[in-house]
Amino acid sequence: NAGVTQTPKFQVLKTGQSMTLQCAQDMNHNSMYWYRQDPGMGLRLIYYSASEGTTDKGEVPNGYNVSRLNKREFSLRLESAAPSQTSVYFCASSKGTTSGGASTDTQYFGPGTRLTVL
Amino acid sequence: QKEVEQNSGPLSVPEGAIASLNCTYSDRGSQSFFWYRQYSGKSPELIMFIYSNGDKEDGRFTAQLNKASQYVSLLIRDSQPSDSATYLCAVPRTGFQKLVFGTGTRLLVSP
Repeated sequence: NAGVTQTPKFQVLKTGQSMTLQCAQDMNHNSMYWYRQDPGMGLRLIYYSASEGTTDKGEVPNGYNVSRLNKREFSLRLESAAPSQTSVYFCASSKGTTSGGASTDTQYFGPGTRLTVL
Repeated sequence: QKEVEQNSGPLSVPEGAIASLNCTYSDRGSQSFFWYRQYSGKSPELIMFIYSNGDKEDGRFTAQLNKASQYVSLLIRDSQPSDSATYLCAVPRTGFQKLVFGTGTRLLVSP
């Protein structure tokens, strides 16, 4: 049981290049998320997918696109990378459930991708 | 006012002491609260969540929630050097799946 896996672990891009970050989970979770983490800014939600077939914008979606390929996989694409997209990217997944109206929906994180855009 | 606020630290405590980490939130409608731990260079991992006023204990960790004051804290008893990490407070936004994270408090436990 690998949990949440991400590829690649590290990537260096030049401005204007494109790339896709891959994420997969084997916990049969309904919901998946992409975050970026920058010093002093904390974790910020880029996009999320509440269930297979749906995707929604988070706090910082500009410059990114996502695809929920199936229940297991959720990819993040940078079409034209910019230095401002230098960050650590985390994928996460959760069951997508609540209990009596209060969320007890634990998110499990992948190991992260460290992206540098020159 | 930020939705979730934490003191960035570092909070330095000696081994064996109680570490107290604090978090305030702005949305009075928030019902549940999560504490994650993140070691340097690693991904966040859940320590515990709380959604009722009062205390919730799990081993050396106790989460305390005061909804009237919009304040949630995490106490770590008998702190160990291995507890040295950044602790993130997270609160679900409306729609429960959108977690809003604080910027985290860095804890340093000295031997």
